[in-house]
Amino acid sequence: GQNIDQPTEMTATEGAIVQINCTYQTSGFNGLFWYQQHAGEAPTFLSYNVLDGLEEKGRFSSFLSRSKGYSYLLLKELQMKDSASYLCAVLDSNYQLIWGAGTKLIIKP
Amino acid sequence: EAEVAQSPRYKITEKSQAVAFWCDPISGHATLYWYRQILGQGPELLVQFQDESVVDDSQLPKDRFSAERLKGVDSTLKIQPAELGDSAMYLCASSQGVSDGGTDTQYFGPGTRLTVL
Repeated sequence: GQNIDQPTEMTATEGAIVQINCTYQTSGFNGLFWYQQHAGEAPTFLSYNVLDGLEEKGRFSSFLSRSKGYSYLLLKELQMKDSASYLCAVLDSNYQLIWGAGTKLIIKP
Repeated sequence: EAEVAQSPRYKITEKSQAVAFWCDPISGHATLYWYRQILGQGPELLVQFQDESVVDDSQLPKDRFSAERLKGVDSTLKIQPAELGDSAMYLCASSQGVSDGGTDTQYFGPGTRLTVL
């Protein structure tokens, strides 16, 4: 079966750095997405990785290792507004998006 | 910036009633998705359209749910009759596809929060 694993919840301090991990086992691979979802709102697109390596976008970076079935989202200089759930999703060989359950990130002052 | 539109934003209904949700995707996006999301879980795909055709509705409870995209633009999702377990966030998303080197990134509307009493 297809599976995406990410931690259920993480806590970090304002101004710090946090890394949210995602491991996946899917039927094929056509890219990995990270989305941010604030409570009661819809997911918003953060990043896309299809090749191994690090993609940097401002305070957010996303890393992919296809051989290990592994990705992480790195958030720097954490702000209170970064408190949200972060969803990892993989596009499989049929171009179907397989979603993880999300990681709830709690930022403390 | 182009956005996916959805209405209503909130819907409260009694069980056994009919409800309908509307979605207008980003202009030019051929693929449209309806998802259901329960608190603490990832989105669950209900139905996927490519233009006006259904590509995947394997997870759609067809005894009570229906979806259409008659002209290949906006779409309607209907539940009849609603059940208590249908309370959830219903999300619509659209994507451009992978042609022309696209990444098939899905962009979401604001969602409809359904409460069934």
